[in-house]
Amino acid sequence: QKEVEQDPGPLSVPEGAIVSLNCTYSNSAFQYFMWYRQYSRKGPELLMYTYSSGNKEDGRFTAQVDKSSKYISLFIRDSQPSDSATYLCAMRENDYKLSFGAGTTVTVRA
Amino acid sequence: DGGITQSPKYLFRKEGQNVTLSCEQNLNHDAMYWYRQDPGQGLRLIYYSQIVNDFQKGDIAEGYSVSREKKESFPLTVTSAQKNPTAFYLCASSIDYNEQFFGPGTRLTVL
Repeated sequence: QKEVEQDPGPLSVPEGAIVSLNCTYSNSAFQYFMWYRQYSRKGPELLMYTYSSGNKEDGRFTAQVDKSSKYISLFIRDSQPSDSATYLCAMRENDYKLSFGAGTTVTVRA
Repeated sequence: DGGITQSPKYLFRKEGQNVTLSCEQNLNHDAMYWYRQDPGQGLRLIYYSQIVNDFQKGDIAEGYSVSREKKESFPLTVTSAQKNPTAFYLCASSIDYNEQFFGPGTRLTVL
């Protein structure tokens, strides 16, 4: 069993829809949770960075963490074609090593 | 303009050849990392370095080597011992444990 599980999709939605992405994990020592966006043939860029359970909002993006269920989510409201990318969840304990999900490929249709 | 640069963007390797991927950062970050990305597998850690002249193996270090002689530079050598080197290689850097910033990547293909 992988330490971090993420549905690879692909996920295709019409412009303006809400995109819902999620990851599950098995390591209860994970404390910090991140979502990265990666455009094709580019390096990942950090979207959201959260610590502890709860919600964090940044513009059209909302990250949720439920440590009791070992489940994290990312919601994208009012999705745009420019949101078409691969979204990677990542998490770590209190050290340098990040554990990544496999990534979900999202296409927003105009 | 601060950031991480990787070169070359594309690299081709013949069987039995060693190749070196360059990673340079001007963010004044202490920590640097090398990841490998394969389709459907996410990013896997090859090596990381917290300070100059020190580095640790990640999850898939076999067939790779690194050096950290300068704070700004963390080159990765893919040796002939790496049997399946075709992948997208990503370098990253961070301040302590915090946010990792990624470079644009190098795509390595074995001919």
